[in-house]
Amino acid sequence: KAGVTQTPRYLIKTRGQQVTLSCSPISGHRSVSWYQQTPGQGLQFLFEYFSETQRNKGNFPGRFSGRQFSNSRSEMNVSTLELGDSALYLCASSLAGSPHGYTFGSGTRLTVV
Amino acid sequence: GQQVMQIPQYQHVQEGEDFTTYCNSSTTLSNIQWYKQRPGGHPVFLIQLVKSGEVKKQKRLTFQFGEAKKNSSLHITATQTTDVGTYFCAVSYTGANSKLTFGKGITLSVRP
Repeated sequence: KAGVTQTPRYLIKTRGQQVTLSCSPISGHRSVSWYQQTPGQGLQFLFEYFSETQRNKGNFPGRFSGRQFSNSRSEMNVSTLELGDSALYLCASSLAGSPHGYTFGSGTRLTVV
Repeated sequence: GQQVMQIPQYQHVQEGEDFTTYCNSSTTLSNIQWYKQRPGGHPVFLIQLVKSGEVKKQKRLTFQFGEAKKNSSLHITATQTTDVGTYFCAVSYTGANSKLTFGKGITLSVRP
């Protein structure tokens, strides 16, 4: 079966711009979680969506937002980009959330210049 | 907030040596998962532990959940160069809709 697909793989943006990242989970998986990975902070939880509803949210500013569509595909948006937003953004899908193992996508490498 | 500790962050071993790492929480856990991320890759799910004292094995890897469900260990027997990578524990706390919180991981390097 197809894995978790994240697009785009790489992105370069300028400070102040906004960006939208996409994640298509494994077919049948209803939970999608987003993580930011940086060398210093590790994997930091952004948010989790389940059946189009945000179920959990991490400690990120309001510039970070997301949504999930009826087909379980998810997008995350970052507005007014800052240099510190440069990171690998990982999407993880699971059947129903944390009691189940997560399957990660290859991530989107965002560089803000 | 709730945190999960993995220390040290880096460990270097000689090929053939055994390796053990730990994951500790101050709060009782609902379950714990372990992931491996190869350099340049993304985290890959290895195992999930749910029951107190649970032990699971995958070839040379042995995973254990503490009796109090506050810590876990990963033991690799006779490390190989293919074991190189960062090992993360990820925990969820009591509550069916709890998010998965990752430790900072331990990066293992293996000298051939």
